[in-house]
Amino acid sequence: QKEVEQNSGPLSVPEGAIASLNCTYSDRGSQSFFWYRQYSGKSPELIMSIYSNGDKEDGRFTAQLNKASQYVSLLIRDSQPSDSATYLCADQRGNSGYALNFGKGTSLLVTP
Amino acid sequence: DAGITQSPRHKVTETGTPVTLRCHQTENHRYMYWYRQDPGHGLRLIHYSYGVKDTDKGEVSDGYSVSRSKTEDFLLTLESATSSQTSVYFCAISESSFRTEAFFGQGTRLTVV
Repeated sequence: QKEVEQNSGPLSVPEGAIASLNCTYSDRGSQSFFWYRQYSGKSPELIMSIYSNGDKEDGRFTAQLNKASQYVSLLIRDSQPSDSATYLCADQRGNSGYALNFGKGTSLLVTP
Repeated sequence: DAGITQSPRHKVTETGTPVTLRCHQTENHRYMYWYRQDPGHGLRLIHYSYGVKDTDKGEVSDGYSVSRSKTEDFLLTLESATSSQTSVYFCAISESSFRTEAFFGQGTRLTVV
């Protein structure tokens, strides 16, 4: 089973700071990567997708992909208490109906 | 929000009974998935469907079966529920293949006693 690994945290950052969430993957053939946010008791919601090496920005969020290092990250600028949640990293499997293969998630706590 | 509805939202059932969870979508997406989420394990794929009557197993399919007779409905059946199947079950949909995001339903919390 190809793995997606995340530090479980919790990662604690003060309000207004940059939160940096990291993810590594073992399948060198993976081409598509996704970040989801999940609040406690809720379903995962998509934040960003990234397919090419480099950075992709969307508002306060920046996803970074380095395929040579098999590394994906998510930066959250100007972190807010409402960003406190679990962040799930996923790659995409080609052999299971293109299902997403998730890491176990990193818990983020933004303190006022 | 993607039009995905899971039912029921909560269920308590007894060991040995069959249970069916329903996922209904209004997006006409081709791919549908069932995941379970457990502490310490994250989201794990149970079964998936790539079209009407086209289904296949995921990594944790033992004890589960699925059916998809219409594009919009994907049913997950626990043939004889066990306590190890106590979990939160999520349905997800995706429009096509690579480089397309998946969108999740609200989840079903199932407790087997």
